[in-house]
Amino acid sequence: KQEVTQIPAALSVPEGENLVLNCSFTDSAIYNLQWFRQDPGKGLTSLLLIQSSQREQTSGRLNASLDKSSGRSTLYIAASQPGDSATYLCAVLTTDSWGKFQFGAGTQVVVTP
Amino acid sequence: SAVISQKPSRDICQRGTSLTIQCQVDSQVTMMFWYRQQPGQSLTLIATANQGSEATYESGFVIDKFPISRPNLTFSTLTVSNMSPEDSSIYLCSGSTGETGELFFGEGSRLTVL
Repeated sequence: KQEVTQIPAALSVPEGENLVLNCSFTDSAIYNLQWFRQDPGKGLTSLLLIQSSQREQTSGRLNASLDKSSGRSTLYIAASQPGDSATYLCAVLTTDSWGKFQFGAGTQVVVTP
Repeated sequence: SAVISQKPSRDICQRGTSLTIQCQVDSQVTMMFWYRQQPGQSLTLIATANQGSEATYESGFVIDKFPISRPNLTFSTLTVSNMSPEDSSIYLCSGSTGETGELFFGEGSRLTVL
């Protein structure tokens, strides 16, 4: 069974610093990996989707990398802003999971002004 | 991308009652799912909503407690039956589209059971 781990569970950085969020998974037979943002009490917003054949995806200040062989993905957020404060979750879709994603527990990020 | 609308966005309910959450997608999705997020926890998949047939439930979730309908490709409902305070959670509808399998979520329905 696919297990997804996110470390650290919480992170606090001063504004302007780059954020590095880690996601690891145990089964490398993945179809894709997706990063989400969740604000308190709200639903999830899709940030980036990386297909299994891709090494990275970029959108604005966000960059996500994927290394299937080591079972890792990293989300980089450049020049963090207080508005980046949220919980970030990664989710993995394994090839034999019938469309069902496995979620990590998330990293709670606070960016202080 | 798909836009997913859920209602109600929040509700406060009495123990023993039932609540139905509606989920509407603005475009056809291949799969729809219902998740639960208990306070301070990550997401737990309740079931896959299947069009025109019974939902497929994950371990620990049963149809009598969480009946789900999906009469067409763009609409689904989740009912939380005979509620207890332990059912207080955010319930999230999601859908995936096309070949990429990208997953999209509604805003969630925050349920408090007294």
